[in-house]
Amino acid sequence: AQTVTQSQPEMSVQEAETVTLSCTYDTSESDYYLFWYKQPPSRQMILVIRQEAYKQQNATENRFSVNFQKAAKSFSLKISDSQLGDAAMYFCALAGTASKLTFGTGTRLQVTL
Amino acid sequence: DTGVSQDPRHKITKRGQNVTFRCDPISEHNRLYWYRQTLGQGPEFLTYFQNEAQLEKSRLLSDRFSAERPKGSFSTLEIQRTEQGDSAMYLCASTLGWGVGHTEAFFGQGTRLTVV
Repeated sequence: AQTVTQSQPEMSVQEAETVTLSCTYDTSESDYYLFWYKQPPSRQMILVIRQEAYKQQNATENRFSVNFQKAAKSFSLKISDSQLGDAAMYFCALAGTASKLTFGTGTRLQVTL
Repeated sequence: DTGVSQDPRHKITKRGQNVTFRCDPISEHNRLYWYRQTLGQGPEFLTYFQNEAQLEKSRLLSDRFSAERPKGSFSTLEIQRTEQGDSAMYLCASTLGWGVGHTEAFFGQGTRLTVV
């Protein structure tokens, strides 16, 4: 069985500052992928960033980057230069060879002026 | 193509009634997934299709639930004899190719079901 744990139900960040969202996971598979999804209020979930487990280099997408620690089974998301539009629920997710996503419980990010 | 669309967006039904939801994936996507999301939780996998074949069903999918993808295009999810515990957001996602690990999964806006 695969599990994903997000221990921060809510986080707050000031505009233009940096915030890090935490995620830990567990899987018995050697080949898997990790994701961060953003779900704005009343809007569909969109992919923020993904990481292949076999790659040691941390993924980066513009202001979003991850810190992937495979041995520790940790996968945190760093958002730099936070913007008001970043306010949303953020879900960490894992996909193994079964191709389905296993999600964490989410972190609600608030961005303040 | 406007992405993954789901219909209806909201459904209120009385306990014991049957409901059916529809999902139209991105047209060239061969894989289609259904997830259920309850308040304060992340989405939970229900089932997925590759073309018209249903390849996996979660144990969450009781015998009151049935899903189809008759021609490998749109999919329907039916819940029979609804219960209050079925109240949730039902999400559909689609991908092209081998699955979510290899290509991006695109999600619809979901159908919010309320059973009263």
